[in-house]
Amino acid sequence: EAGVVQSPRYKIIEKKQPVAFWCNPISGHNTLYWYRQNLGQGPELLIRYENEEAVDDSQLPKDRFSAERLKGVDSTLKIQPAELGDSAVYLCASSYAGTSGGASNEQFFGPGTRLTVL
Amino acid sequence: AQSVTQLGSHVSVSEGALVLLRCNYSSSVPPYLFWYVQYPNQGLQLLLKYTSAATLVKGINGFEAEFKKSETSFHLTKPSAHMSDAAEYFCAVSGRGNNRLAFGKGNQVVVIP
Repeated sequence: EAGVVQSPRYKIIEKKQPVAFWCNPISGHNTLYWYRQNLGQGPELLIRYENEEAVDDSQLPKDRFSAERLKGVDSTLKIQPAELGDSAVYLCASSYAGTSGGASNEQFFGPGTRLTVL
Repeated sequence: AQSVTQLGSHVSVSEGALVLLRCNYSSSVPPYLFWYVQYPNQGLQLLLKYTSAATLVKGINGFEAEFKKSETSFHLTKPSAHMSDAAEYFCAVSGRGNNRLAFGKGNQVVVIP
């Protein structure tokens, strides 16, 4: 079974430029998450999707960040314009909520995209 | 809101010695608790989770953790460290009824031959 796929793996851009990250979750997983992991820190949730609906985006800086999950499968996270402080690893994860709500379900993580903003 | 505290960012352990990583949680509702491992340039992988069944939870690679409500702790242990255990370990908590995982800052484990 293929895991969570993310691309690109690495991205270097200059500040004020736009950037986009792509995620393909595990087949059949209806819940998709985007996390940001700063150096030396644990991941922090940016947004969570249940199918195509963003159900938790309270941590997403909406002035410059946007995300979409068309058709409830793949997802794209965009930053426009990027700032120096956005340098981090952006992780995508997915899980299957089933009928239990899914809070105890394992989240499967992709390898992440390491963003460097110069 | 739920949170976890992991003390000591770097932990050195001799090969064959006990691995002990401490995690204390804060939660206003009965929590779900998780330990994840992250190898260099890879995503996080679940080691084990506590979901209110047995308080002693066994995971992959010989790791286990014990949920102690009285101490609000969920410490991770492995009796004998192996070189392949060198990685970063994260404790995480979520509240029942939501899927938001709150991670600790992590412990970077170094195994000394």
